[in-house]
Amino acid sequence: SQQGEEDPQALSIQEGENATMNCSYKTSINNLQWYRQNSGRGLVHLILIRSNEREKHSGRLRVTLDTSKKSSSLLITASRAADTASYFCATVGGWGETSGSRLTFGEGTQLTVNP
Amino acid sequence: DSGVTQTPKHLITATGQRVTLRCSPRSGDLSVYWYQQSLDQGLQFLIQYYNGEERAKGNILERFSAQQFPDLHSELNLSSLELGDSALYFCASSVDVIRGTGNTIYFGEGSWLTVV
Repeated sequence: SQQGEEDPQALSIQEGENATMNCSYKTSINNLQWYRQNSGRGLVHLILIRSNEREKHSGRLRVTLDTSKKSSSLLITASRAADTASYFCATVGGWGETSGSRLTFGEGTQLTVNP
Repeated sequence: DSGVTQTPKHLITATGQRVTLRCSPRSGDLSVYWYQQSLDQGLQFLIQYYNGEERAKGNILERFSAQQFPDLHSELNLSSLELGDSALYFCASSVDVIRGTGNTIYFGEGSWLTVV
């Protein structure tokens, strides 16, 4: 079963604009990871944010985490056509769970960046 | 390139058959995970191995089995295949010790399985 939901399901923007994708989850987490997937290809890791962190940056990516609201957001600034892909958030459960360290994925956001 | 290698990349087989998917984790990674991605179910966790032992089990069917060998490569065996087993199967790996220590989990390119 999916841990959370992503919002929006699809997003279409123009090159140069910022793209914001949101992710909500249901249970306590140890960390949350964002991935990108080009159509039919592998999952590329973008960024990991731990439960005790509130914000992380990596290049044009900014991720926030609000554990009180059980939500995270991914911001891509100055988007490019090459950013067109599906973006997934995935959580790793908190301590005490017997779920190992597996990722539980959201349903993903399909981002289209138009040239 | 994530460093996780999966073979074969594409596989077409008939219903009722058995296939084996192979995964080589990143150098130094002890944990291997298997995931299934299908249009109707999304990305589903199947199973995790850590240093040769099963660590966690997800939505893995009884017709499916996996193992991790002493050299840390892993195989996912799918038997009595049905049309609904057609999906993209991912292997992933991480250094991971126990219960999510905050290690990045890296994915391979996946093995496309088509059951006809």
